Formats: sequence, C-alpha cells, structure tokens
Amino acid sequence: GQQLNQSPQSMFIQEGEDVSMNCTSSSIFNTWLWYKQDPGEGPVLLIALYKAGELTSNGRLTAQFGITRKDSFLNISASIPSDVGIYFCAGRVLSTNAGKSTFGDGTTLTVKP
Amino acid sequence: NAGVMQNPRHLVRRRGQEARLRCSPMKGHSHVYWYRQLPEEGLKFMVYLQKENIIDESGMPKERFSAEFPKEGPSILRIQQVVRGDSAAYFCASSLGLAGETQYFGPGTRLLVL
Repeated sequence: GQQLNQSPQSMFIQEGEDVSMNCTSSSIFNTWLWYKQDPGEGPVLLIALYKAGELTSNGRLTAQFGITRKDSFLNISASIPSDVGIYFCAGRVLSTNAGKSTFGDGTTLTVKP
Repeated sequence: NAGVMQNPRHLVRRRGQEARLRCSPMKGHSHVYWYRQLPEEGLKFMVYLQKENIIDESGMPKERFSAEFPKEGPSILRIQQVVRGDSAAYFCASSLGLAGETQYFGPGTRLLVL
C-alpha cells in the first residue's frame, strides 16, 4: 500500500524561529494536505494542495506540492508558543468519489518561549 | 454550524466486550470516513461509507470490526470481542463526497481496553 515518510519526527525550537518539515512518498498523490492535531483533539486542516508545483500560504504557514507529486513540505515562519502540536501530512489519490487519505506519522513541534 | 460530532469521547471496555462508536457528520454531509490512530502514529484509514453503502473497507480488519451509516442516524463503528490491541483513538471525518473535497474531522473517541 501507499506509505508516507514524514520528517523530522520531532522538533524543539525557540520562539521566533522558522520551521520546516516534509513528506515523501513512494507513489504519486493528486492532493497533498497538511493538518495540525492538538492533544485530545482531531486533526484540523491547515493547507490543501491540488497541483504539482503549487505553493500555498495560510498566514505564517507555507506549503508546496512537489513537482514529482511524490513529496510536499510545510514551513512555519516566526514560530509562536501556540504552534505547539503534531503536524501531519496526508496524500490523496483523485477518484470519482472523495477518497481516503494516507497519513504520515507526524512531526511533533515544541516551541520554547 | 456544528462540526463532526463523535461520542463517546472516551470509552473503557474489558476484553471480550463490544464497543460502539458513533459519528454524526457535518450538516449536509453524506460521506463518512473512519480512521484509527495508535499512540505516536498517524491516522490509518479504516472504512469509507456513504448513506446505506460501504464504498471502501480496505482498511478494516477482517474480523470483529464492522461499520454502518444508515439512512437515518449516525454512523456506527462496532468492535466485537475487543482485545487490548484495539486500544486507540478512533476518528471520524465527513465530506460532501465530491472528488478532491476536504474532509472534516471529529474530536475522536479514545478507546481503552482493560
């Protein structure tokens, strides 16, 4: 089956620093998604990418859909304490119905004030 | 405008008992997805349902697990004769069912099997 490799597994950074994390896949996806999960909650969608090469921003977050369609990265600029959480990438294959998502294992972000 | 609702939020069962997890999709959504998350892992797809129809159950264990989404009422994920390895967070997501459309996740049910 499809697998996503997400790295790094965890990050400890100082408030104000920039953060970068990425996902790679052995197979092609038509959609890349980035989620954030807080403790005890479900994932919340941050950014959705639909085209190879697409670069999309959402406030301090920027994500790109790799040209090969097998990778994506997420950048967070000027981190703040509330950025703490687990970030997941997910890929989807386009189908006539909105299909399942394949998730990476997450990047746990800790921000020191 | 209520989001995806799941109940119970926490469920404790003894080995051999049955667990029933409920998911009410967002208003107007007719497609539901169930995912399982083990500690320190990502979400793993289990099953994708439309009203009264299972679209994709490729992630469902072959035994003890079943899911339904009736015409009326919430979607139900049922685990029979639970074992300790079933302890996990179970998340439901819903969507309108259009190709490429966003899925919205509920807060999850944390199942603990003693």
